[in-house]
Amino acid sequence: RKEVEQDPGPFNVPEGATVAFNCTYSNSASQSFFWYRQDCRKEPKLLMSVYSSGNEDGRFTAQLNRASQYISLLIRDSKLSDSATYLCVVTKFSGGYNKLIFGAGTRLAVHP
Amino acid sequence: EADIYQTPRYLVIGTGKKITLECSQTMGHDKMYWYQQDPGMELHLIHYSYGVNSTEKGDLSSESTVSRIRTEHFPLTLESARPSHTSQYLCASSDPTGVSSYEQYFGPGTRLTVT
Repeated sequence: RKEVEQDPGPFNVPEGATVAFNCTYSNSASQSFFWYRQDCRKEPKLLMSVYSSGNEDGRFTAQLNRASQYISLLIRDSKLSDSATYLCVVTKFSGGYNKLIFGAGTRLAVHP
Repeated sequence: EADIYQTPRYLVIGTGKKITLECSQTMGHDKMYWYQQDPGMELHLIHYSYGVNSTEKGDLSSESTVSRIRTEHFPLTLESARPSHTSQYLCASSDPTGVSSYEQYFGPGTRLTVT
């Protein structure tokens, strides 16, 4: 079983739609959680951290459910420029350090 | 904008050749990482370094080696390239003292093809 599981998609949505991605993780000891964005053939970039109380950044809302080991990302009013792959990332303590464990990503395609 | 650079961006090379992928950052970050990513798949950590003269193997077994003689430079070497090494290699760095100490800044990657 993968440490971080995501629906690969693709999610094909029209501009203006609301879309939600989910992610589950297997390590109950994970302490920090993130969403990264990766454009086609580009490097990943941090989109937002995910806090226990939930957090919002403009059109993006992230939620964390530690009991269910589940993370979500909601995008409202989708733009064409939101088309990308969204990577769910959790930390794992190993070898004396915290490392980032990446999901394979969920692909979003926003069309006019 | 992150100041982390990788060269070459693309490399096509024959089996058995020795190659070095370069990675440099100008942010003074102590922590640096190498990841391997195949199309549509997750990033896998293959090496990391928490400072000069510190290198560790990551979660994914790799035949490559790394060195960290200077803070800003973290090259990855394959002594004898094989077709199974064909992949994208991403270098990253992070600042453990920063507001978000887990945020990693990635370079543009090197797409390696071994024929």
